[in-house]
Amino acid sequence: HLVESGGGLVKPGGSLRLSCAASGFFFRTYEMNWVRQAPGKGLEWVARISDSGSTNYADSVNGRFAISRDNAKDSLFLQMSSLRAEDTAVYYCVRDSGYGPNSNWFDPWGQGTLVTVSS
Amino acid sequence: DIQMTQSPSSLSVSIGDRVIITCRASQSIDNYLNWYQQRPGKAPRLLIYNAYSLQPGVPSRFSGSGSGTLFTLTINSLQPEDFATYYCQQSYNTPYIFGLGTKLEIK
Repeated sequence: HLVESGGGLVKPGGSLRLSCAASGFFFRTYEMNWVRQAPGKGLEWVARISDSGSTNYADSVNGRFAISRDNAKDSLFLQMSSLRAEDTAVYYCVRDSGYGPNSNWFDPWGQGTLVTVSS
Repeated sequence: DIQMTQSPSSLSVSIGDRVIITCRASQSIDNYLNWYQQRPGKAPRLLIYNAYSLQPGVPSRFSGSGSGTLFTLTINSLQPEDFATYYCQQSYNTPYIFGLGTKLEIK
């Protein structure tokens, strides 16, 4: 079970921190991701963090967003800065349930939190 | 980056129809291809992982096939609850690119 929070309205250039509370599984052993969906658009992978803390980012957010985790609190975070209008989207917290090299699949998904970047 | 080309972008179908959606990768991704269903206003749901493995709880009318660069999602005997948007996703490496989606509409 994944529950996101922290979304809202922010001005261009502003910052926002999303949180995701995980429950029902051994959080610290799973890779986690953020995926976003702009209004009326498709899915876009945003960032990944491994169980050991290594990270990867989409080019569109690299250098502006930072994914992190607190295994003691079963929580995932996305720190977003220098926000742009095109970052407006529903942001989903997603568990990577795959195992083994290259084997990655996203399940479950949180319900999403809406981030709106507008002046 | 690996690009994913999904087709068609939309499909007008009837209850009971058989539907085939195709996803093509810009380079070989072995069998590291997943399929998701998204109903309006809902979060996506995993249907198929690693090209052909059915996620527990997903009806057996859904099936996946393919390897390398060409993959298909087949839905047999379409049910009312299947009218949704379907996305493929390569999971071979980051960035985990999604296809643009296929929207199933009622004919």
